Amino acid sequence: DTGVSQNPRHKITKRGQNVTFRCDPISEHNRLYWYRQTLGQGPEFLTYFQNEAQLEKSRLLSDRFSAERPKGSFSTLEIQRTEQGDSAMYLCASSLTRQGGSGTEAFFGQGTRLTVV
Amino acid sequence: AQSVTQPDIHITVSEGASLELRCNYSYGATPYLFWYVQSPGQGLQLLLKYFSGDTLVQGIKGFEAEFKRSQSSFNLRKPSVHWSDAAEYFCAVGASSGYSTLTFGKGTMLLVS
Repeated sequence: DTGVSQNPRHKITKRGQNVTFRCDPISEHNRLYWYRQTLGQGPEFLTYFQNEAQLEKSRLLSDRFSAERPKGSFSTLEIQRTEQGDSAMYLCASSLTRQGGSGTEAFFGQGTRLTVV
Repeated sequence: AQSVTQPDIHITVSEGASLELRCNYSYGATPYLFWYVQSPGQGLQLLLKYFSGDTLVQGIKGFEAEFKRSQSSFNLRKPSVHWSDAAEYFCAVGASSGYSTLTFGKGTMLLVS
């Protein structure tokens, strides 16, 4: 399968613990996005990378959240000192952007469901 | 700031009947518009997209959508719904500068009876 892969699929953690999620994008894609989706809502943008550079961060991304994309390949999203309000589906997407603005649409992974108890 | 409104939270359609899901967007320039579908516990799959040109776009699984600039709408349609179409549908808008970050609506849950 050459789609976007996210691990783990499910994570249950106690409040105050740190968690880390991983996203492996489609191999030739240079852009990688993180979104958060809470129950009954559409996905909300968190941050995105072009290659290894983090180009944009949403105001939703508090200082407890950090994302990295070393070497421009896979990405990790870490949440420190988790709170119950962090419970959500965390979606990763990737796309290919070429010079001049052409490219592909975003392809989404199946998400990581986080439950903070 | 861009925004998307999907006024219907739930819609129930009989199998074989036609379907229209509404989407209104707010964006200052020419938008990039998308419809995604999400099955329970799954990620999002792109149904179709509009960037420019013909305002009626065809997508996968027999879906189509029509861009109406005057109404700021991008409604999704299907002439005959199948039970397997039951899922949540999201409309999204992106910046006209390219394949940028997306702003999603809250979604419409389609139930097929």
